[in-house]
Amino acid sequence: DAKTTQPNSMESNEEEPVHLPCNHSTISGTDYIHWYRQLPSQGPEYVIHGLTSNVNNRMASLAIAEDRKSSTLILHRATLRDAAVYYCILRREYGNKLVFGAGTILRVKS
Amino acid sequence: GAVVSQHPSWVICKSGTSVKIECRSLDFQATTMFWYRQFPKQSLMLMATSNEGSKATYEQGVEKDKFLINHASLTLSTLTVTSAHPEDSSFYICSARDLGGPYNEQFFGPGTRLTVL
Repeated sequence: DAKTTQPNSMESNEEEPVHLPCNHSTISGTDYIHWYRQLPSQGPEYVIHGLTSNVNNRMASLAIAEDRKSSTLILHRATLRDAAVYYCILRREYGNKLVFGAGTILRVKS
Repeated sequence: GAVVSQHPSWVICKSGTSVKIECRSLDFQATTMFWYRQFPKQSLMLMATSNEGSKATYEQGVEKDKFLINHASLTLSTLTVTSAHPEDSSFYICSARDLGGPYNEQFFGPGTRLTVL
């Protein structure tokens, strides 16, 4: 599976938007971009995924660059409960497994 | 989303004993389940892929005789850590693929914290 690159950590103020970047320059045409997050001492939680078009759901938005070599997870209004490690993962369509990288530690200040 | 449970949520055992961890998909059938291990302040590391009715596929460097995986039904996979030692202390997380869902999505359990004394 192609590799992703994310910043080690980011900080945000509560109630403000957060943009979490992810670079995936070696993405292939059949790779979906998945985002998961992991709160302390819990299993990962699905956030959002997309292929080419931007995606929105109740948790977040996913903005995908036109060349698909990068993407941005957008939390519209960060809360303290959004403090977690966010993982950007590429997976082939109907691919077999999710391989986690280091992720981005998001800290939210009140 | 679909729910995956794990039991127990935490376990403490003596060195040399075996520990079994259960992973269940509660509201969907999972022909494929995955087992991950996570050490403190590190990312999840995939240990093995478990397929219902067949032998598990282990990632490179994972001892299959030490980490026994059984996937006997479409809703249950078990991981047995045999002859556990302190270095096996870790957070073990299972995951299951929902083939009935629109995106073949993968859902994670809450994890099991194993401490070997």
